[in-house]
Amino acid sequence: AQSVTQPDIHITVSEGASLELRCNYSYGATPYLFWYVQSPGQGLQLLLKYFSGDTLVQGIKGFEAEFKRSQSSFNLRKPSVHWSDAAEYFCAVYSGGGADGLTFGKGTHLIIQP
Amino acid sequence: EPEVTQTPSHQVTQMGQEVILRCVPISNHLYFYWYRQILGQKVEFLVSFYNNEISEKSEIFDDQFSVERPDGSNFTLKIRSTKLEDSAMYFCASTPGSQETQYFGPGTRLLVL
Repeated sequence: AQSVTQPDIHITVSEGASLELRCNYSYGATPYLFWYVQSPGQGLQLLLKYFSGDTLVQGIKGFEAEFKRSQSSFNLRKPSVHWSDAAEYFCAVYSGGGADGLTFGKGTHLIIQP
Repeated sequence: EPEVTQTPSHQVTQMGQEVILRCVPISNHLYFYWYRQILGQKVEFLVSFYNNEISEKSEIFDDQFSVERPDGSNFTLKIRSTKLEDSAMYFCASTPGSQETQYFGPGTRLLVL
């Protein structure tokens, strides 16, 4: 069965520093990959997605992610974080076989230090 | 920009009671979904709905759960007899087509006492 692994439960970054959140997936075919962000008490907001084409995708709020098939990874990056980026970040993949449900990782909680 | 909306934002219920969670998907979307997120855990897929029938459901979606699109705008999740372990945030999502970007609502936080 497909799975998504986010190995970092918590990450603490200083404001202005760069950020990389890791995501690995287990899926046989070309995956459809997503990053969502969840602020406290809020819903899930789409940051970016990868379906095909250029492996470096740009998203909202200055985020980008790179799809690396050889590493089964889709890591999220931002060159300079802001205090407002503190949130929970979820990587997700379509379950495949034409099925509709997204499979989510457990999430990474991002803490921004002043 | 169109959004998925959900009501209520919070619901408290007694164990064994029925609850109905409501969602209004984005108007031109055709696929609808329910997910749940138990506190501190990951978001889990419950069910997808297309063309007025369930297209896929997870093992979580047992006989206590049902979904319905009672009119042209609402999409509901019913839990017939709630259990303590049903306490979670429930998210509705919609897409214009299969395996396209899912747009999520703000969620309903359900607390079963």
